[in-house]
Amino acid sequence: EVQLLESGGGLVQPGGSLRLSCAASGFSFSSYDMGWVRQAPGKGLEWVSGISNSGVDTYYTDSVKGRFTISRDNSKNTIYLQMNSLRVEDTAVYYCAKDSPRTDGYFYFDYWGRGTLVTVSS
Amino acid sequence: DIQMTQSPSSLSASVGDRVTITCRASQSISSFLNWYQQKPGKAPKLLTISASTLQSGVPSRFSGRGSGTDFTLTISSLQPEDFATYYCQQSYTTPITFGQGTRLEIK
Repeated sequence: EVQLLESGGGLVQPGGSLRLSCAASGFSFSSYDMGWVRQAPGKGLEWVSGISNSGVDTYYTDSVKGRFTISRDNSKNTIYLQMNSLRVEDTAVYYCAKDSPRTDGYFYFDYWGRGTLVTVSS
Repeated sequence: DIQMTQSPSSLSASVGDRVTITCRASQSISSFLNWYQQKPGKAPKLLTISASTLQSGVPSRFSGRGSGTDFTLTISSLQPEDFATYYCQQSYTTPITFGQGTRLEIK
């Protein structure tokens, strides 16, 4: 059974930092690209970042470029999202998601974690 | 960035109704269009990929169509468990983008 378990969320002041983690199990982790998708309270889904299975290629939405860094440790079946210079508008539930098996195109996600809430407020 | 626009934003319907949700891309995305269902407090669930391929375990009352810029998700006969919010998502290029969502409510 595929499981994705996020951790690291919490309350942080504007300008602060947090590191989210996502521990994966139940599939061949090093074979799949992974990503983060967030959802602000009462709002829709917003893709944040993605990483290739090897970790060599990384992708970001424009609003987080230069502030967030995605990484992975295939020996620990874990991906990370380092979030710096946090803003009030980064407040959201952050979901870790597994990319589907695909041969072309970009990310679409067949398994999701339960999410971790990040609140940026003074 | 490719903008994804869904219509309607909300929809009231009854059990047994046939409903269709539309998703339009701001430029051609071929068939790189996916649909998700999300219930309150839960993570999204992938329903269809590549515009029309149902994920394993998704009931056959769900169907997707379209290519280029215009896509639809149809539920042929609404069941109580289908009342949720639906999102389209393009996987043609990064940044990946989602539609704003369509909230399907019980009439």
